[in-house]
Amino acid sequence: KQEVTQIPAALSVPEGENLVLNCSFTDSAIYNLQWFRQDPGKGLTSLLLIQSSQREQTSGRLNASLDKSSGRSTLYIAASQPGDSATYLCAVSPRSSNAGNMLTFGGGTRLMVKP
Amino acid sequence: DAGVIQSPRHEVTEMGQEVTLRCKPISGHNSLFWYRQTMMRGLELLIYFNNNVPIDDSGMPEDRFSAKMPNASFSTLKIQPSEPRDSAVYFCASSFGWTGNTIYFGEGSWLTVV
Repeated sequence: KQEVTQIPAALSVPEGENLVLNCSFTDSAIYNLQWFRQDPGKGLTSLLLIQSSQREQTSGRLNASLDKSSGRSTLYIAASQPGDSATYLCAVSPRSSNAGNMLTFGGGTRLMVKP
Repeated sequence: DAGVIQSPRHEVTEMGQEVTLRCKPISGHNSLFWYRQTMMRGLELLIYFNNNVPIDDSGMPEDRFSAKMPNASFSTLKIQPSEPRDSAVYFCASSFGWTGNTIYFGEGSWLTVV
């Protein structure tokens, strides 16, 4: 059974810092990996999707990398801002003929960026 | 596009009552998912529909839980009878295609069973 772990569980940084969030998964037979953002009381918003054949994806100040063989992904946030404060979750979908977008989520990293 | 629409946003009900949660996926999306989020267990997939057909319901915790998708624009998740341990946020999500595409989440239905 796939297990996804995110470290750290919580992180507090001053504004302007570059930071890295970590995600690891136990089964490397994945179709893709996605990073989501969740604000308090809200649903999840997809940030980046990395296909299993890709090594990284970038969107603005966000960069996500994927090392499928070692079961790791990182989300890099450059020049953090208070508006980046949220919970960040990673999720993997299995490489299976009928699995579709059935995601297994990590527990999330709760990020606070202080002004 | 209005996104994935869920109702009710908040519900407080007494133990033993029936609860029905509703979801309208994004128009054109053919995959629909129900997830549950709790502090203890995080986000868990309950059931997945593709083209209105349930594909995998292995995450449905008990027979008290049931889900239907009578057409491409509507799905329900029903709990009968409800119990306090069912208290959680229930998310509906949708995507287009079989896999590999971005999945869009609704804002959730916050359920409290007292």
